[in-house]
Amino acid sequence: EVQLVQSGAEVKKPGESLRISCKGSGYSFTNYWITWVRQMPGKGLEWMGRIDPSDSYINYSPSFQGHVTISLDKSISTAYLQWSSLKASDNAMYYCARQIPGSKGHSKGVDSWGQGTLVTVSS
Amino acid sequence: EIVLTQSPGTLSLSPGERATLSCRASQSVSSSYLAWYQQKPGQAPRVLIYGASSRATGIPDRFSGSGSGADFTLTISRLEPEDFAVYYCQQCDNSPYTFGQGTKLEIK
Repeated sequence: EVQLVQSGAEVKKPGESLRISCKGSGYSFTNYWITWVRQMPGKGLEWMGRIDPSDSYINYSPSFQGHVTISLDKSISTAYLQWSSLKASDNAMYYCARQIPGSKGHSKGVDSWGQGTLVTVSS
Repeated sequence: EIVLTQSPGTLSLSPGERATLSCRASQSVSSSYLAWYQQKPGQAPRVLIYGASSRATGIPDRFSGSGSGADFTLTISRLEPEDFAVYYCQQCDNSPYTFGQGTKLEIK
């Protein structure tokens, strides 16, 4: 069974750093991209970026470029999303998802989702 | 960036009725790279449709997708109580892989 298990909820202060994780299991980790999606309270889904575990190529949405860092550790089938300095506006649920890879950067979509990590940033 | 506009924002229907949800792109999207997702309160989204019209594994056949170019449609032929949720379309043709703003399907 394909599973993406995310790290638990976090409560942080503005200015603090944070890294959340997403561990894949039940499939070959390098055969699918990992994508990160933000959902702010009561709002819709926003695509943040994706990483290809086969070559570590990363593609960020311009809206998130420079604000977050996506990385991974292939040896433990885990992807990460990190912030160096959190802001109150980073309050959101963050989902990782398995993205079906395609040619020339295209994709059929996401076929499996993590359970989400709630990030609360408050002074 | 491709902008996806979903309509209506909210759709109020009764169980047993037919639901038609629209997703319009700001430029042409290859139908191979258009997906639909369902999200219920407190849950992660789940995929319904890939490639504009292919149902994902385990998705009932009352869900169907259609469309091409810049206009896509998700149809639920006969609403079941568990279908009332928020629905999102997403294009993965060009980066960034944008989502529509969602259509909330509520019980009338």
